[in-house]
Amino acid sequence: DTGVSQNPRHKITKRGQNVTFRCDPISEHNRLYWYRQTLGQGPEFLTYFQNEAQLEKSRLLSDRFSAERPKGSFSTLEIQRTEQGDSAMYLCASSLGRYQPQHFGDGTRLSIL
Amino acid sequence: AQTVTQSQPEMSVQEAETVTLSCTYDTSESDYYLFWYKQPPSRQMILVIRQEAYKQQNATENRFSVNFQKAAKSFSLKISDSQLGDAAMYFCAIGPFRETSGSRLTFGEGTQLTVNP
Repeated sequence: DTGVSQNPRHKITKRGQNVTFRCDPISEHNRLYWYRQTLGQGPEFLTYFQNEAQLEKSRLLSDRFSAERPKGSFSTLEIQRTEQGDSAMYLCASSLGRYQPQHFGDGTRLSIL
Repeated sequence: AQTVTQSQPEMSVQEAETVTLSCTYDTSESDYYLFWYKQPPSRQMILVIRQEAYKQQNATENRFSVNFQKAAKSFSLKISDSQLGDAAMYFCAIGPFRETSGSRLTFGEGTQLTVNP
Protein backbone atom coordinates (compact mmCIF):
# COMPACT_ATOMS: atom_id res chain seq x y z
CA ASP A 1 0.00 0.00 0.00
CA THR A 2 1.95 2.99 -1.28
CA GLY A 3 -0.82 5.49 -0.65
CA VAL A 4 -2.49 8.01 -2.93
CA SER A 5 0.08 10.01 -4.89
CA GLN A 6 -0.54 13.48 -6.31
CA ASN A 7 1.65 15.53 -8.63
CA PRO A 8 2.78 18.20 -8.60
CA ARG A 9 2.76 19.16 -4.91
CA HIS A 10 2.72 22.84 -5.77
CA LYS A 11 1.77 24.70 -8.94
CA ILE A 12 2.17 28.41 -9.48
CA THR A 13 0.73 29.86 -12.64
CA LYS A 14 -0.48 33.09 -14.14
CA ARG A 15 -4.15 33.87 -14.44
CA GLY A 16 -5.54 32.61 -17.72
CA GLN A 17 -3.18 29.67 -18.06
CA ASN A 18 -4.23 26.03 -18.13
CA VAL A 19 -3.06 23.59 -15.46
CA THR A 20 -3.28 19.84 -15.10
CA PHE A 21 -2.92 17.76 -11.95
CA ARG A 22 -2.39 14.04 -11.68
CA CYS A 23 -3.58 11.56 -9.08
CA ASP A 24 -2.43 7.95 -8.74
CA PRO A 25 -4.78 6.07 -6.42
CA ILE A 26 -3.92 3.08 -4.28
CA SER A 27 -3.50 0.33 -6.85
CA GLU A 28 -6.50 -1.87 -6.09
CA HIS A 29 -8.92 1.00 -5.40
CA ASN A 30 -11.63 1.32 -8.04
CA ARG A 31 -13.14 4.56 -6.74
CA LEU A 32 -11.43 7.92 -7.10
CA TYR A 33 -12.56 11.31 -5.81
CA TRP A 34 -11.44 14.91 -6.29
CA TYR A 35 -12.01 17.58 -3.65
CA ARG A 36 -11.03 21.23 -3.37
CA GLN A 37 -9.96 22.79 -0.09
CA THR A 38 -9.52 26.51 0.46
CA LEU A 39 -7.59 27.91 3.40
CA GLY A 40 -9.30 27.32 6.73
CA GLN A 41 -12.15 25.33 5.23
CA GLY A 42 -13.07 21.69 4.90
CA PRO A 43 -12.71 19.90 1.58
CA GLU A 44 -15.51 20.35 -0.97
CA PHE A 45 -16.45 17.55 -3.34
CA LEU A 46 -15.72 18.07 -7.04
CA THR A 47 -16.17 14.76 -8.82
CA TYR A 48 -16.07 10.99 -8.47
CA PHE A 49 -15.05 8.07 -10.69
CA GLN A 50 -15.86 4.42 -10.43
CA ASN A 51 -13.24 2.74 -12.58
CA GLU A 52 -13.14 4.88 -15.74
CA ALA A 53 -16.70 6.19 -15.46
CA GLN A 54 -17.27 9.67 -14.06
CA LEU A 55 -20.44 9.11 -12.05
CA GLU A 56 -20.93 12.30 -10.11
CA LYS A 57 -19.98 15.96 -10.55
CA SER A 58 -20.46 18.89 -8.23
CA ARG A 59 -21.88 22.23 -9.28
CA LEU A 60 -18.43 23.56 -8.32
CA LEU A 61 -17.04 21.84 -11.40
CA SER A 62 -17.57 24.61 -13.92
CA ASP A 63 -17.06 24.32 -17.67
CA ARG A 64 -13.41 25.23 -17.16
CA PHE A 65 -12.79 22.08 -15.17
CA SER A 66 -12.46 18.62 -16.67
CA ALA A 67 -11.46 15.35 -15.10
CA GLU A 68 -10.56 12.05 -16.67
CA ARG A 69 -9.62 8.60 -15.52
CA PRO A 70 -8.52 6.62 -18.56
CA LYS A 71 -8.51 2.87 -18.10
CA GLY A 72 -9.61 3.27 -14.51
CA SER A 73 -6.12 3.89 -13.22
CA PHE A 74 -4.67 7.36 -12.64
CA SER A 75 -6.79 10.47 -12.97
CA THR A 76 -6.13 13.98 -14.23
CA LEU A 77 -7.88 17.21 -13.32
CA GLU A 78 -7.48 20.07 -15.78
CA ILE A 79 -8.43 23.67 -15.16
CA GLN A 80 -8.58 25.89 -18.23
CA ARG A 81 -8.24 29.69 -18.19
CA THR A 82 -7.42 29.77 -14.49
CA GLU A 83 -8.88 32.49 -12.30
CA GLN A 84 -7.83 33.90 -8.93
CA GLY A 85 -10.65 32.01 -7.27
CA ASP A 86 -9.15 28.71 -8.38
CA SER A 87 -6.34 29.09 -5.85
CA ALA A 88 -6.80 26.20 -3.46
CA MET A 89 -5.54 22.80 -2.44
CA TYR A 90 -6.82 20.07 -4.75
CA LEU A 91 -7.15 16.75 -2.97
CA CYS A 92 -7.52 13.32 -4.47
CA ALA A 93 -8.87 10.32 -2.56
CA SER A 94 -9.48 6.70 -3.41
CA SER A 95 -11.39 3.82 -1.88
CA LEU A 96 -11.61 0.09 -2.44
CA GLY A 97 -15.38 0.06 -2.59
CA ARG A 98 -18.44 1.99 -1.69
CA TYR A 99 -18.41 1.12 1.99
CA GLN A 100 -14.68 1.52 2.47
CA PRO A 101 -13.17 4.74 3.79
CA GLN A 102 -11.57 7.24 1.43
CA HIS A 103 -7.81 7.56 1.61
CA PHE A 104 -6.43 10.97 0.74
CA GLY A 105 -3.27 12.11 -1.01
CA ASP A 106 -1.09 15.04 0.03
CA GLY A 107 -2.84 17.34 -2.42
CA THR A 108 -1.70 19.80 -5.07
CA ARG A 109 -1.59 23.41 -3.96
CA LEU A 110 -2.47 25.78 -6.80
CA SER A 111 -1.50 29.43 -6.60
CA ILE A 112 -2.71 31.88 -9.25
CA LEU A 113 -0.61 35.01 -9.75
CA ALA B 1 -28.34 17.76 0.75
CA GLN B 2 -26.16 17.00 3.73
CA THR B 3 -24.52 19.58 5.96
CA VAL B 4 -21.97 19.35 8.75
CA THR B 5 -21.32 21.99 11.40
CA GLN B 6 -18.32 22.17 13.70
CA SER B 7 -18.97 25.00 16.12
CA GLN B 8 -15.49 25.06 17.68
CA PRO B 9 -12.95 26.64 15.32
CA GLU B 10 -10.18 26.09 17.88
CA MET B 11 -9.67 23.89 20.91
CA SER B 12 -6.72 23.30 23.18
CA VAL B 13 -5.85 20.55 25.64
CA GLN B 14 -3.03 19.75 28.00
CA GLU B 15 -0.94 16.74 27.17
CA ALA B 16 -2.38 13.57 28.78
CA GLU B 17 -5.78 15.21 29.29
CA THR B 18 -9.06 14.47 27.50
CA VAL B 19 -10.72 16.71 24.95
CA THR B 20 -14.05 16.47 23.11
CA LEU B 21 -14.64 17.96 19.68
CA SER B 22 -18.23 18.69 18.67
CA CYS B 23 -19.99 18.01 15.39
CA THR B 24 -23.60 18.28 14.33
CA TYR B 25 -25.02 17.36 10.98
CA ASP B 26 -28.17 17.38 8.95
CA THR B 27 -29.32 14.82 6.43
CA SER B 28 -32.54 13.48 5.00
CA GLU B 29 -31.03 10.01 4.73
CA SER B 30 -31.86 7.32 7.24
CA ASP B 31 -28.61 5.47 6.68
CA TYR B 32 -25.24 7.13 6.33
CA TYR B 33 -21.65 7.06 7.53
CA LEU B 34 -19.93 9.55 9.80
CA PHE B 35 -16.21 10.15 9.92
CA TRP B 36 -13.57 12.08 11.76
CA TYR B 37 -10.49 12.93 9.73
CA LYS B 38 -7.27 14.49 11.02
CA GLN B 39 -5.14 16.84 8.91
CA PRO B 40 -1.76 17.73 10.43
CA PRO B 41 -0.08 20.89 9.09
CA SER B 42 1.03 20.41 5.49
CA ARG B 43 0.24 16.74 5.66
CA GLN B 44 -2.39 14.49 4.25
CA MET B 45 -5.85 13.87 5.66
CA ILE B 46 -5.95 10.72 7.78
CA LEU B 47 -9.03 8.79 8.84
CA VAL B 48 -9.36 8.75 12.62
CA ILE B 49 -12.62 6.91 13.15
CA ARG B 50 -15.78 5.87 11.32
CA GLN B 51 -19.34 5.27 12.52
CA GLU B 52 -22.14 3.57 10.66
CA ALA B 53 -25.44 5.27 11.46
CA TYR B 54 -27.29 1.97 11.69
CA LYS B 55 -25.05 0.83 14.52
CA GLN B 56 -26.06 1.98 17.98
CA GLN B 57 -22.71 1.15 19.55
CA ASN B 58 -20.26 4.02 19.55
CA ALA B 59 -17.06 3.40 17.58
CA THR B 60 -13.71 3.37 19.35
CA GLU B 61 -10.15 3.31 18.04
CA ASN B 62 -7.57 3.15 20.82
CA ARG B 63 -7.58 6.63 22.44
CA PHE B 64 -10.29 7.92 20.10
CA SER B 65 -13.99 7.37 20.67
CA VAL B 66 -17.20 8.94 19.49
CA ASN B 67 -20.50 9.86 21.09
CA PHE B 68 -23.07 9.29 18.37
CA GLN B 69 -26.54 10.64 19.10
CA LYS B 70 -28.63 9.86 16.01
CA ALA B 71 -31.80 11.59 17.13
CA ALA B 72 -29.90 14.74 17.99
CA LYS B 73 -27.75 14.42 14.83
CA SER B 74 -24.65 14.82 16.94
CA PHE B 75 -21.29 13.11 16.48
CA SER B 76 -18.59 14.22 18.91
CA LEU B 77 -15.02 12.94 19.07
CA LYS B 78 -13.30 12.27 22.37
CA ILE B 79 -9.53 12.07 22.50
CA SER B 80 -8.19 10.54 25.70
CA ASP B 81 -4.63 10.84 27.00
CA SER B 82 -3.88 13.56 24.45
CA GLN B 83 -0.44 13.46 22.85
CA LEU B 84 1.57 16.16 21.11
CA GLY B 85 1.12 14.29 17.85
CA ASP B 86 -2.66 14.74 18.10
CA ALA B 87 -2.26 18.42 17.25
CA ALA B 88 -3.98 18.93 13.91
CA MET B 89 -7.10 20.19 12.16
CA TYR B 90 -9.95 17.75 12.74
CA PHE B 91 -12.76 17.46 10.23
CA CYS B 92 -16.11 15.81 10.77
CA ALA B 93 -17.68 14.37 7.62
CA ILE B 94 -20.82 12.56 6.49
CA GLY B 95 -21.25 10.19 3.57
CA PRO B 96 -24.35 8.55 2.12
CA PHE B 97 -25.04 4.86 2.52
CA ARG B 98 -27.27 4.27 -0.48
CA GLU B 99 -25.75 4.14 -3.97
CA THR B 100 -28.53 6.32 -5.33
CA SER B 101 -27.57 9.10 -2.93
CA GLY B 102 -24.10 9.47 -4.42
CA SER B 103 -20.68 8.91 -2.95
CA ARG B 104 -19.44 12.31 -1.88
CA LEU B 105 -18.26 13.15 1.59
CA THR B 106 -19.50 16.42 3.04
CA PHE B 107 -17.09 18.01 5.49
CA GLY B 108 -17.44 20.51 8.29
CA GLU B 109 -15.31 23.62 8.63
CA GLY B 110 -12.83 21.92 10.94
CA THR B 111 -11.57 22.33 14.51
CA GLN B 112 -7.93 23.25 15.07
CA LEU B 113 -6.66 21.27 18.06
CA THR B 114 -3.61 22.46 19.97
CA VAL B 115 -1.94 20.16 22.49
CA ASN B 116 0.04 21.96 25.17
CA PRO B 117 3.00 20.20 26.79
